[in-house]
Amino acid sequence: QSVLTQPPSVSAAPGQKVTISCSGDTSNIGSNSVSWYQQLPGTAPKLLIYENIERHSGIPDRFSGSKSGTSATLGITGLQTGDEADYHCGSWDSRLSAFVFGTGTKVTVL
Amino acid sequence: EVHLVESGGGLVKPGGSLRLSCAASGLIFHDAWMSWVRQAPGKGLEWVGRIKSKGAGGTIDYAAPVRGRFTISRDDSINTIYLQMNSLKTEDTAVYYCVWSGLFWFASWGQGTLVTVSS
Repeated sequence: QSVLTQPPSVSAAPGQKVTISCSGDTSNIGSNSVSWYQQLPGTAPKLLIYENIERHSGIPDRFSGSKSGTSATLGITGLQTGDEADYHCGSWDSRLSAFVFGTGTKVTVL
Repeated sequence: EVHLVESGGGLVKPGGSLRLSCAASGLIFHDAWMSWVRQAPGKGLEWVGRIKSKGAGGTIDYAAPVRGRFTISRDDSINTIYLQMNSLKTEDTAVYYCVWSGLFWFASWGQGTLVTVSS
């Protein structure tokens, strides 16, 4: 029961840039910070971005986050084959008093 | 480095119970907020619940689908949190991850333990 909407998939060639959108509403993204997670095939998720724009320790600056209103965006530049993974956004929902995740986006490197 | 190890997963019949454990190391556990997040096969992530540190009040929050059936607890003396799952349903089938939480994010994840609810 995802409350945040992401595109099912995005793709680009190596070296190119992709952006992943995460759309919510005023009770989640509109009033709380957003985090982003990378999940490589068969592994546990890993924190990439927290507090909308802050990169977690060890995350390269090819990954960036932004937020505007009730939407957030994850950008990946200089795309590499190792970036092929599922990406999830998340935010606290003040109306539900629960953390909510996005529907997830699969990134494919062509 | 934070290390989280879940255990206790397995096969259980609908209506049954199971208790998951998560042993933590590499962090100041008594100050840590800890969460459980699950992922059904081929699906996205779903937050299960969170327990704050005792210093922050020890508050426990649950997602609506598990409220009243699941209980999160912690034992700071052995750096462990638990997820007691009762009245299990087939839709509870998932990999359950133990996670070290920040205020509104999930900083470190365990490898996960699979819970299968099936007759």
